[in-house]
Amino acid sequence: SQTIHQWPATLVQPVGSPLSLECTVEGTSNPNLYWYRQAAGRGLQLLFYSVGIGQISSEVPQNLSASRPQDRQFILSSKKLLLSDSGFYLCAWRGVQGYYEQYFGPGTRLTVT
Amino acid sequence: TQLLEQSPQFLSIQEGENLTVYCNSSSVFSSLQWYRQEPGEGPVLLVTVVTGGEVKKLKRLTFQFGDARKDSSLHITAAQPGDTGLYLCAGLNSNYQLIWGAGTKLIIKP
Repeated sequence: SQTIHQWPATLVQPVGSPLSLECTVEGTSNPNLYWYRQAAGRGLQLLFYSVGIGQISSEVPQNLSASRPQDRQFILSSKKLLLSDSGFYLCAWRGVQGYYEQYFGPGTRLTVT
Repeated sequence: TQLLEQSPQFLSIQEGENLTVYCNSSSVFSSLQWYRQEPGEGPVLLVTVVTGGEVKKLKRLTFQFGDARKDSSLHITAAQPGDTGLYLCAGLNSNYQLIWGAGTKLIIKP
């Protein structure tokens, strides 16, 4: 069965510091991968998605970037965090069968101070 | 821009009551998915509806896709505290992109 991992689970970082969040998927090959951000109690904002190694599409211009160095690894980065980067970050993969349902990791709670 | 509007945004009811959550759009979707998210966790897929007019049941939860495939509803019968969470709908458009609703935060009080 497929499993998706995210780390760290929580992170407190000062403004201006760098960021690296990691997501890995097990049990599937060549998945479509997604990064979302979620404000408290609200819906999902799609940040990036990737259909393969090195292929990244950005949905929202901002000071975040994403990379996919390996088939099942997706990384979200920033060189300098802003207060507005605080939120709950979710990684998801899409099934290759069915109706494009997405399966989410446990999330990373980021607080920028 | 395609939008999915969920209503209500927030709902707090007593255990045992019934409720309905709505997901509406002016756009047609090829399918619609419902997810439930508990605090501090990722959303979990509940169901996908595909055919206009389709009704799916998951224990006390009943999901319906509108005849025109522009809207959907989630009805919960005899709500329980375990139903508490954020309910998200997401529609699959013709470009195979998921369009997300803003969510309905549901609290069931014991």
